[in-house]
Amino acid sequence: DIQMTQSPSTLSASVGDRVTITCRASQSIIYWLAWYQQKPGKAPKLLIYSASRLEGGVPSTFSGSGSGTEFTLTISSLQPDDFATYYCQQYNQYPWTFGQGTKVEIK
Amino acid sequence: DVHLVESGGGLVQPGGSLRLSCAATGFTFSNYWMTWVRQAPGKGLEWVSNIGGDGSEKYYVDSVRGRFTISRDNAKNSLYLQINSLRAEDTAVYFCARGGTSGWPFDNWGPGTLVTVSS
Repeated sequence: DIQMTQSPSTLSASVGDRVTITCRASQSIIYWLAWYQQKPGKAPKLLIYSASRLEGGVPSTFSGSGSGTEFTLTISSLQPDDFATYYCQQYNQYPWTFGQGTKVEIK
Repeated sequence: DVHLVESGGGLVQPGGSLRLSCAATGFTFSNYWMTWVRQAPGKGLEWVSNIGGDGSEKYYVDSVRGRFTISRDNAKNSLYLQINSLRAEDTAVYFCARGGTSGWPFDNWGPGTLVTVSS
């Protein structure tokens, strides 16, 4: 199975900060990586797919980059609505696997 | 708009069974792969199973293979997950999601249904 490792596990930041979350795959997943945002008690929401493509309706403050085994999710200016947990997920090889999550907290 | 709603969760004893359902609206259901993802309380997300648009292809995570069965009824725009021989570690919120094949992420999700396995 492909292991997905996110860092950090928790991140404390302020409104307006630039935030970067890293996701590493245990083997190459080319660019078949998605990022999801989840708020407490809610379903995840797709933000980024194919490593860098922004899902419709997602603010342009979100961006993704990377290929192979290393990927990043960047929020260019953190907004109050962005405090949540973020998961990366590979869909290159079964079983599809998620990172353990990164919780973005208010500093 | 795409709309997915799960149902069928509840409290069940170890060794018991449940059938989860997911009703889909707002898109041509038969054109899409569909997926079940679960989340244990306070834990991360785990892909469970997915099924192709015509139901002929199905995949499972190792921990549920042989106990869970995914199916769909395209005439009813519905996805199902039959879960048998339940264990405490199956306790989770179960989400249905659209997509989940090679090259296609989970682009829409239902709110989830809680399955609790306890005596």
